[in-house]
Amino acid sequence: GDSVTQMEGPVTLSEEAFLTINCTYTATGYPSLFWYVQYPGEGLQLLLKATKADDKGSNKGFEATYRKETTSFHLEKGSVQVSDSAVYFCALSDQGTGFQKLVFGTGTRLLVSP
Amino acid sequence: DTAVSQTPKYLVTQMGNDKSIKCEQNLGHDTMYWYKQDSKKFLKIMFSYNNKELIINETVPNRFSPKSPDKAHLNLHINSLELGDSAVYFCASSPLGQLAYGYTFGSGTRLTVV
Repeated sequence: GDSVTQMEGPVTLSEEAFLTINCTYTATGYPSLFWYVQYPGEGLQLLLKATKADDKGSNKGFEATYRKETTSFHLEKGSVQVSDSAVYFCALSDQGTGFQKLVFGTGTRLLVSP
Repeated sequence: DTAVSQTPKYLVTQMGNDKSIKCEQNLGHDTMYWYKQDSKKFLKIMFSYNNKELIINETVPNRFSPKSPDKAHLNLHINSLELGDSAVYFCASSPLGQLAYGYTFGSGTRLTVV
């Protein structure tokens, strides 16, 4: 079935550093791709999404580009803040079986220090 | 107003007990889901309901029984709780056939079985 692979964490950065969290996927068809963020003690919030190849999703300074040729959707931010500390999940929409659901990666914890 | 609300937020119970978690969404979505997040933050789908009809059941033990009295509610009942059931359970919803919009998640129910 469809799957998502994320880099293992934790990713530890100093404030204002550049962030990249890698995400690659395996899918039949043409899935939509998502990044979700989970702050401590909270549920998952949609951060950004892209629905077709070469689309760029962006929100709150985060960006990710849907790369069909490399089956990737890496998350980037130019200058992280302490408040960005959270767990980030890459996901895709799996429609291969005819039943729609999101398939999530294992999550990457980001720790930003002052 | 909370879009997807779960109750209770925390649940501590003894092995062998039966417990329920409730979920309600006021977004008018047709599809609702239950996901389990383990201690390593891995998210796995358990069930999906579309307009009160079960459409996904991902190899979940029979002790778990979802119930959807109407399309705005999806409750999860667990019989004979085991230590391994300890996890955070998330409810989510999405519009029918529009997974490109992603899910809206509840804030989670942390279940601890002692």
